[in-house]
Amino acid sequence: DQQVKQNSPSLSVQEGRISILNCDYTNSMFDYFLWYKKYPAEGPTFLISISSIKDKNEDGRFTVFLNKSAKHLSLHIVPSQPGDSAVYFCAATGSNYKLTFGKGTLLTVNP
Amino acid sequence: NAGVMQNPRHLVRRRGQEARLRCSPMKGHSHVYWYRQLPEEGLKFMVYLQKENIIDESGMPKERFSAEFPKEGPSILRIQQVVRGDSAAYFCASSAGSPGNTIYFGEGSWLTVV
Repeated sequence: DQQVKQNSPSLSVQEGRISILNCDYTNSMFDYFLWYKKYPAEGPTFLISISSIKDKNEDGRFTVFLNKSAKHLSLHIVPSQPGDSAVYFCAATGSNYKLTFGKGTLLTVNP
Repeated sequence: NAGVMQNPRHLVRRRGQEARLRCSPMKGHSHVYWYRQLPEEGLKFMVYLQKENIIDESGMPKERFSAEFPKEGPSILRIQQVVRGDSAAYFCASSAGSPGNTIYFGEGSWLTVV
């Protein structure tokens, strides 16, 4: 039973354009959401998070949107850069420590 | 990722041997978590520890797996009598523990069972 779903295994975007990565969740107890970026053979790197009391959080080129009624969040990267190419994981928690991860989306930004 | 130190980075074990993975949390962090990533999967929570205490081990397999975080020294994830299905990447993470504190991950330990 996958409580956090990233339905797109991969996404390809042109450099300079917007990348939109999507994530859906089923557990209404989740109240804190995080995005991590991961390169091969490395650990996940924290990117940005959002609490359920907000619907948007922005940090530089990264913006996360949360739609609680739809149980959906998305990560926008603008403008996309080749160095952004990596696997992006969406994670959620209701306990503030046990993260439930999606399976990840491989983003490829083409020069 | 800087700060959460894991070793070894790569470990090869034969079936039936023991694997020990070590994790030193970020400076100032007293909360440690272990996650496992199987091929083509997301990371799965295994266990949450504070110094000398296991807080939540609901993600640990019932047999052969154990974890500790002693008063002194790193956290250890121990897998006894390894089987091929234990081959995975094991990630340690740490946090300061307060509500809203971000969980930071180490580089991972890749276990291969042959």
